[in-house]
Amino acid sequence: GAVVSQHPSWVICKSGTSVKIECRSLDFQATTMFWYRQFPKQSLMLMATSNEGSKATYEQGVEKDKFLINHASLTLSTLTVTSAHPEDSSFYICSARAPGGMDTQYFGPGTRLTVL
Amino acid sequence: EDKVVQSPLSLVVHEGDTVTLNCSYEVTNFRSLLWYKQEKKAPTFLFMLTSSGIEKKSGRLSSILDKKELFSILNITATQTGDSAVYLCAVETGSNYKLTFGKGTLLTVNP
Repeated sequence: GAVVSQHPSWVICKSGTSVKIECRSLDFQATTMFWYRQFPKQSLMLMATSNEGSKATYEQGVEKDKFLINHASLTLSTLTVTSAHPEDSSFYICSARAPGGMDTQYFGPGTRLTVL
Repeated sequence: EDKVVQSPLSLVVHEGDTVTLNCSYEVTNFRSLLWYKQEKKAPTFLFMLTSSGIEKKSGRLSSILDKKELFSILNITATQTGDSAVYLCAVETGSNYKLTFGKGTLLTVNP
């Protein structure tokens, strides 16, 4: 199956700093990538849909100025958590969907963010 | 607002038991229903269901979709301790293939 990677797998940062998370589709081109957040013992919540070459579509309640998404190429999307605070600590997971098709979304391994 | 409801939220069984996990949904522009298994990290794909009444099977796991009654079940037979995980149901909708997840069922299989 298709492989999606995320980097870093975990990050610890101080409150007020910005953190960038990368999501790459390794063996296919993804016109659409998705960013999810998962708090402990809860399910995945979609944050935004990232389309290559256009602005991301954010879900209700997700601040687009705080969670900056860039999908500059067909294999890379980045999520930047700006001015991170402890309440942003969470597990961030991306997924990618190949264009045109019947395939499902392929998930990256996730990034554990801890904001001190 | 799209909704996906899973039941039970948690389940404890003994090795060898058979379990049935439930997923019901109310969504607009249904495309497919998916089952994932999540252990420590990101979800791993189990099944994708698009048509009613056609069972998908993989080893001891099987799943079926009822698009009239808007639900799906995931069956696991002869459970093993390695089946212990959170099982997530998600429904894919719309032209942008958005996934809405249920809260998951935490399955614990004791030896």
